[in-house]
Amino acid sequence: AQSVTQLGSHVSVSEGALVLLRCNYSSSVPPYLFWYVQYPNQGLQLLLKYTSAATLVKGINGFEAEFKKSETSFHLTKPSAHMSDAAEYFCAVSEGGGAQKLVFGQGTRLTINP
Amino acid sequence: GAGVSQSPSNKVTEKGKDVELRCDPISGHTALYWYRQSLGQGLEFLIYFQGNSAPDKSGLPSDRFSAERTGGSVSTLTIQRTQQEDSAVYLCASTRGGGYNEQFFGPGTRLTVL
Repeated sequence: AQSVTQLGSHVSVSEGALVLLRCNYSSSVPPYLFWYVQYPNQGLQLLLKYTSAATLVKGINGFEAEFKKSETSFHLTKPSAHMSDAAEYFCAVSEGGGAQKLVFGQGTRLTINP
Repeated sequence: GAGVSQSPSNKVTEKGKDVELRCDPISGHTALYWYRQSLGQGLEFLIYFQGNSAPDKSGLPSDRFSAERTGGSVSTLTIQRTQQEDSAVYLCASTRGGGYNEQFFGPGTRLTVL
């Protein structure tokens, strides 16, 4: 069975500082990996996805993530945090193929301090 | 509209009542998913529809939960004899097909069972 672990339910950084949100996955097949962001009272929006192409994936809003098979990790980073980045972030894994059921991590709430 | 829409946005019901939640996917999207987001369980897959194929119901938590998709478009999630533990945000997503296509999420329906 697939699973996702996000280390840290809450992360707080200063504006302009590096953002690092950690995600480790477990999958018996080559995974497809995703990061989604959820702003208050809104649905989820895709930030980026890994689908077995380049291991360094660039997404929207300056975010990127690196797939490291040896570490079973897919950490999300952004060099310089902006106040508008405050939201909840979810890492997800799927087996792909015909049924892209997503298995989500518990989420990490990102707070940006001025 | 261009996005996934869900109705109602909020639903308050009494324990034991039945509720219906509606999802209008993006036009032309053949796959539709329901997820549940709750404080205790995080984001969980419920059910998946793809075209005319039999739905994947593997995530439904009990036989009180059912869903249908009429005409390959609108979907209704029905919860019978609601319980307090059914209180959650129910999210719908649609995508062009399986594989690694992006799932577009609706804003969700917040269900509160008193």
